[in-house]
Amino acid sequence: EVQLVESGGGLVQPGGSLRLSCAASGFTFDNHWMHWVRQAPGKGLVWVSRINSDGTDTRYADSVRGRFTISRDNSENTLYLQMNSLTIEDTAVYHCTRDPNTPGAFFDYWGPGILVTVSS
Amino acid sequence: AIQLTQSPSSLSASIGDRVTITCRASKGISRALAWYQQKPGKVPKLLIHDASSLESGVPSRFSGSGFGTDFTLTISSLQPEDFATYYCQQFNEYPLSFGGGTKVEI
Repeated sequence: EVQLVESGGGLVQPGGSLRLSCAASGFTFDNHWMHWVRQAPGKGLVWVSRINSDGTDTRYADSVRGRFTISRDNSENTLYLQMNSLTIEDTAVYHCTRDPNTPGAFFDYWGPGILVTVSS
Repeated sequence: AIQLTQSPSSLSASIGDRVTITCRASKGISRALAWYQQKPGKVPKLLIHDASSLESGVPSRFSGSGFGTDFTLTISSLQPEDFATYYCQQFNEYPLSFGGGTKVEI
């Protein structure tokens, strides 16, 4: 069974940093691209970032480029999101998602999400 | 960046109704579109990818169509468990983007 479990969220002040982790299991992690998708309370879905299978290629939403860094450790089956210079607008539930092994970038499995609250 | 506009933003329907949700892209995206269903307090669930390919395990009352800029998600006969918010998502180019969502209510 595919499982994605995020951790590392919490309350942080504006300008602060957090590192999210996503532990993956139930599938061959290093075969799949992985993404982060966020959802602010009561709002819609927003794609944040993507990393390819071996970690050599990354993409970011304009709103986080230069502040967030996606990475992965295939030996530990873990995805990361380093978030720096956080703003109130980054407050959201962050979901780790799996990209199926087909051409295209959509999301067939989602973690339950972890809440990041940016507030003074 | 490609903008996706969903309509309507919400709709009221009854059990057994045929429901159609549209998603319009700001530029052509071929068939690079997915649809998700999200129930309150739950994570989104993939329903359809590549505009019309039904994800495994999704009931056949769900169908998708479209190409280029105009897409539709159709529920042929609305069931109680279908009341949820539906999102489209394009994967033709980065940055990936979602539509604003359509809430289907009783």
